[in-house]
Amino acid sequence: NAGVTQTPKFQVLKTGQSMTLQCAQDMNHEYMSWYRQDPGMGLRLIHYSVGAGITDQGEVPNGYNVSRSTTEDFPLRLLSAAPSQTSVYFCASSYETGTGYTFGSGTRLTVV
Amino acid sequence: GENVEQHPSTLSVQEGDSAVIKCTYSDSASNYFPWYKQELGKGPQLIIDIRSNVGEKKDQRIAVTLNKTAKHFSLHITETQPEDSAVYFCAASDPSGNTGKLIFGQGTTLQVKP
Repeated sequence: NAGVTQTPKFQVLKTGQSMTLQCAQDMNHEYMSWYRQDPGMGLRLIHYSVGAGITDQGEVPNGYNVSRSTTEDFPLRLLSAAPSQTSVYFCASSYETGTGYTFGSGTRLTVV
Repeated sequence: GENVEQHPSTLSVQEGDSAVIKCTYSDSASNYFPWYKQELGKGPQLIIDIRSNVGEKKDQRIAVTLNKTAKHFSLHITETQPEDSAVYFCAASDPSGNTGKLIFGQGTTLQVKP
């Protein structure tokens, strides 16, 4: 049981490049979310999903896309990277609403 | 929407002392309040949580209290140890319904001095 697996752990992008951050969980959790963590700003929700085929925007969705074709996977796509997207990104999942998240170990992204 | 404020942003204590971190939330419909500990270079890890029908919950050296009337909840760590040094986040559940979303506070960096 690996929990929540995020890849890659580190990434450097040039402004304007696109990429996909991968997230997979093996706990059969319905709820999955993407957060970004910036100094002094806590964890801010980018996108979330309540089940396969269902996604919605969070607090800071601009510049990011998600899809949820399976229960296990929830990739985050950066369409055209900008320096403002330099951050640490966390994927999280939970079994049901009103329960705690299990977080991945994060992806540290730098956009130059 | 829900807003969660967390204080203090940094906290330094001597080993063996107690530490208290406080959070307030804005929407009384939130009913689930977890606390997370994040060690350097790692993802946040759930350490304790409380639901709105409970006023206090303990787990060894950590406890959480909830005051629904005042809309605030607190994390209490007793007999602090150097390994308690980390960033702590509080969160509140999305009051709008079955989304699974959590709204997080800004985090508290706790330093326990040996």
